[in-house]
Amino acid sequence: DQQVKQNSPSLSVQEGRISILNCDYTNSMFDYFLWYKKYPAEGPTFLISISSIKDKNEDGRFTVFLNKSAKHLSLHIVPSQPGDSAVYFCAATASNTGNQFYFGTGTSLTVIP
Amino acid sequence: NAGVTQTPKFRILKIGQSMTLQCAQDMNHNYMYWYRQDPGMGLKLIYYSVGAGITDKGEVPNGYNVSRSTTEDFPLRLELAAPSQTSVYFCASSYERLNEKLFFGSGTQLSVL
Repeated sequence: DQQVKQNSPSLSVQEGRISILNCDYTNSMFDYFLWYKKYPAEGPTFLISISSIKDKNEDGRFTVFLNKSAKHLSLHIVPSQPGDSAVYFCAATASNTGNQFYFGTGTSLTVIP
Repeated sequence: NAGVTQTPKFRILKIGQSMTLQCAQDMNHNYMYWYRQDPGMGLKLIYYSVGAGITDKGEVPNGYNVSRSTTEDFPLRLELAAPSQTSVYFCASSYERLNEKLFFGSGTQLSVL
């Protein structure tokens, strides 16, 4: 039972354009969401997070949007750079249980120079 | 700064063999985790630990054992390897369990043949 879903396995974007990666979740108890970036042969690294008390969080070129009513979050990368090419995972947790994060299946982003 | 170190990076086991995946962190983190990632799937939690001497099961614990004798080390033991345990294994740590980003090791690619 996949509680966090990333329905697009891959995405290609031209350098300089916007990349939008999407994530849907089913558990209404989730209240904290994170995005991780993973290069080949490396472990995931933390990118950005958002709490359910917010609907937007921005960090440089990266912005995460949260739509609680739709149980949907998205990661925007503007402008996209070739070094952004990686697999992106979204993850969610319910802080009242707090014992684990649930991860999506990942979206492979390719930024074309 | 090493962060989270996993060994080995690659391993091939025969069915029924046993092995220990090593994980060490030098960030003085209280919480440590073992995840597995199967092809096309999200990361799934195997076991976690909230401190030395304390461990608990995650989502997919069957076939594995863990111990936490020190803050730094969190080894994962496979007693009777099965083909279903072919996966990439990631160790992670965090200072706080709740609402805290995870720091991942680079992973162990395990094949059971």
